[in-house]
Amino acid sequence: AQKVTQAQTEISVVEKEDVTLDCVYETRDTTYYLFWYKQPPSGELVFLIRRNSFDEQNEISGRYSWNFQKSTSSFNFTITASQVVDSAVYFCALSEAANAGKSTFGDGTTLTVKP
Amino acid sequence: NAGVTQTPKFQVLKTGQSMTLQCAQDMNHEYMSWYRQDPGMGLRLIHYSVGAGITDQGEVPNGYNVSRSTTEDFPLRLLSAAPSQTSVYFCASSSHPAARSYEQYFGPGTRLTVT
Repeated sequence: AQKVTQAQTEISVVEKEDVTLDCVYETRDTTYYLFWYKQPPSGELVFLIRRNSFDEQNEISGRYSWNFQKSTSSFNFTITASQVVDSAVYFCALSEAANAGKSTFGDGTTLTVKP
Repeated sequence: NAGVTQTPKFQVLKTGQSMTLQCAQDMNHEYMSWYRQDPGMGLRLIHYSVGAGITDQGEVPNGYNVSRSTTEDFPLRLLSAAPSQTSVYFCASSSHPAARSYEQYFGPGTRLTVT
């Protein structure tokens, strides 16, 4: 069975601090996909990134970066120089290639960035 | 492109009533899904589809039916509403997660209250 754990329920930082959101996953499949999503206070869901299990290369997009480590089953998300607009709930999710339509989400981490 | 549209945005039902939540996408995506989000929780998968005519159950399918007669539409039917189905419902669409240009799009959500 697939499982995603986001152990940090809430994180609060001051603007310009760096912050890392943790995501640990469990799967029996050797091929799988990992995702991050953002849900701002307005409630919409925004897809941020998809990572294939066979590609352990880290990714950077502006102030966002993602660190995928198969050895520790983790897919962590770092925001550099956080801004108030980064305040949101962030979800990590997993789907297995054998059943790619079936995604499992973590419970989310609420990030508050204070000015 | 309209993306993923959902109707209605808000709905109040009485226990025992039935209704259909509509979801449509205009991106020719194979994959479509329905999630529910309860307060303080992540998204839980209700049903999903990997193409027209193909649907399968997610984590919390009881009390809901789906069908996928066209690529564009993926309605969710509540058979006999119960207070436990009070939630925010999100529809999503995407290409296969292995697709090079993968992205996932969510509808704006339907806030359902069952009294």
